Amino acid sequence: QKEVEQDPGPLSVPEGAIVSLNCTYSNSAFQYFMWYRQYSRKGPELLMYTYSSGNKEDGRFTAQVDKSSKYISLFIRDSQPSDSATYLCAMRDAGGTSYGKLTFGQGTILTVHP
Amino acid sequence: NAGVTQTPKFRILKIGQSMTLQCAQDMNHNYMYWYRQDPGMGLKLIYYSVGAGITDKGEVPNGYNVSRSTTEDFPLRLELAAPSQTSVYFCASSYSRQETQYFGPGTRLLVL
Repeated sequence: QKEVEQDPGPLSVPEGAIVSLNCTYSNSAFQYFMWYRQYSRKGPELLMYTYSSGNKEDGRFTAQVDKSSKYISLFIRDSQPSDSATYLCAMRDAGGTSYGKLTFGQGTILTVHP
Repeated sequence: NAGVTQTPKFRILKIGQSMTLQCAQDMNHNYMYWYRQDPGMGLKLIYYSVGAGITDKGEVPNGYNVSRSTTEDFPLRLELAAPSQTSVYFCASSYSRQETQYFGPGTRLLVL
């Protein structure tokens, strides 16, 4: 079983739709949760960063963490064609490793069509 | 700031050839990382460094070597290229292990 599972999609939605992206994980030591956005042929860029359980909102983006279910989500409201990208979840523990190891999901390919 | 830069953008290698993938950052970050990304597999850590002169293996280090003689540069060396090393390679850096990792634009490598 992979430590982090993410549905690779692809996911295709019309402009304006609400998008829900999800990851599940098995390691209860994970405390920090991230969502990276990766445009085609580019490097990942950090989109959202949350600690422990709860919600965090930034503009059209909301990140949710449910540690009891080992489940994290990213919601995109009023999706735009410019949101078309691969979304990677990533997570790490509270610092037990010496180098801040990130464990990534496989990434979900999202296309928002006009 | 240029951030994290990588060269080359794309390279084709023959089996058995060697090459060095270059990575540089101008953010004075202590931590640097090399990842590979294969389709549908997420990113896997190859090597990392916590400062100049200090490097260690990640999850998938076989077939690769690194060095870190300066804070800014973290080259990745492939000694005997194999088709299994066909991938996209990303370099990343962060100020500390708790801080955000910033990624470079990647190097696409094809081994034939």
